[in-house]
Amino acid sequence: GGIITQTPKFLIGQEGQKLTLKCQQNFNHDTMYWYRQDSGKGLRLIYYSITENDLQKGDLSEGYDASREKKSSFSLTVTSAQKNEMAVFLCASSMWTNTEVFFGKGTRLTVV
Amino acid sequence: QQKVQQSPESLSVPEGGMASLNCTSSDRNFQYFWWYRQHSGEGPKALMSIFSDGDKKEGRFTAHLNKASLHVSLHIRDSQPSDSALYFCAAHTGYQNFYFGKGTSLTVIP
Repeated sequence: GGIITQTPKFLIGQEGQKLTLKCQQNFNHDTMYWYRQDSGKGLRLIYYSITENDLQKGDLSEGYDASREKKSSFSLTVTSAQKNEMAVFLCASSMWTNTEVFFGKGTRLTVV
Repeated sequence: QQKVQQSPESLSVPEGGMASLNCTSSDRNFQYFWWYRQHSGEGPKALMSIFSDGDKKEGRFTAHLNKASLHVSLHIRDSQPSDSALYFCAAHTGYQNFYFGKGTSLTVIP
């Protein structure tokens, strides 16, 4: 088995601040994802990457940047935090885009 | 428009009872379905997949797929308090990403 590690677990930022969330996986999976989870809205895809240095926009990419410098890591940057950003951000990985997705435990973002 | 709709939003069943969750897709290209479960404070984990019409049973969990109506359901027999969680339906076309529904919150009452 493998594990997805997200850091930090809790992130408090100020409105307008640039914030970075990090994710590492040891599954040796090719594809990695960032999802945002808001209460009552399910999981919405922000960015995904099918290989190192690849980036694909999801439905919710505006206001975010992502970076996949190596196969095992995928980072997400909130370019200018807004008070409605408060949510849980989930990193995930899978072998390909149509196979089982494995999730990390999430980073809970609070903007003050 | 939400591509994957789940109902009900929340559901309470007594311990030992049957829980039934529903999912419908609005996109006929979605042919492959998964159910994921998320306990509080954890990330979602895959429960089971179903790709063919009919029933698929894994222990106390049975998924049913009707591709003609784009409807998939999950039935949990002999529900346990540990089954209390958020359940997501996920669909994909076979060559693109998953789309997740908004989830059904299940509470099993001891």
